[in-house]
Amino acid sequence: AQSVTQLDSHVSVSEGTPVLLRCNYSSSYSPSLFWYVQHPNKGLQLLLKYTSAATLVKGINGFEAEFKKSETSFHLTKPSAHMSDAAEYFCVNSGYSTLTFGKGTMLLVSP
Amino acid sequence: DTEVTQTPKHLVMGMTNKKSLKCEQHMGHRAMYWYKQKAKKPPELMFVYSYEKLSINESVPSRFSPECPNSSLLNLHLHALQPEDSALYLCASRPTGSSYNEQFFGPGTRLTVL
Repeated sequence: AQSVTQLDSHVSVSEGTPVLLRCNYSSSYSPSLFWYVQHPNKGLQLLLKYTSAATLVKGINGFEAEFKKSETSFHLTKPSAHMSDAAEYFCVNSGYSTLTFGKGTMLLVSP
Repeated sequence: DTEVTQTPKHLVMGMTNKKSLKCEQHMGHRAMYWYKQKAKKPPELMFVYSYEKLSINESVPSRFSPECPNSSLLNLHLHALQPEDSALYLCASRPTGSSYNEQFFGPGTRLTVL
């Protein structure tokens, strides 16, 4: 069985400051993990995916995530937030054909 | 073509209407999905098609009827819906044979049932 826990329902940052969105996973086998972003009234866009080739994964728009097996975590970070980063972010664990979504973290960016 | 398209973008229907949602992809993906998403919630899986055959139906009411006429097209037929069915309906596709199972999502259809 697999699950995903996003530790914060909302995160507020100022523009230009670092972003940290936290995700813990549970998986009975080697996980396939993703971060998706959803802007208001839009579909989900894949930010990055953990492929087991490297524990530090770089994604689009300056985001990256680090896979830590010992902590069962896959936190999403960005060095400097931009106003356009304001959106809902989902941490996702993938089974063979279906996805298990976290509850989402709303990122709020203030000027 | 590297995207999933959905039509219409918005749909308003009465409880006695019949309407259809359409999803299309030309990436050669042989797995396609319908999700329902309520506000401030993650998407909920409704149906999965694999090689044009229904492989998963997550106990969805029969007023929702999926159809996969070919490998590029996925429809969701709607009939006698309830106001609580108002939501964002998302389509996704997945490349079969991929080791990582990422899904590619369309922009969604915003459905309002009056």
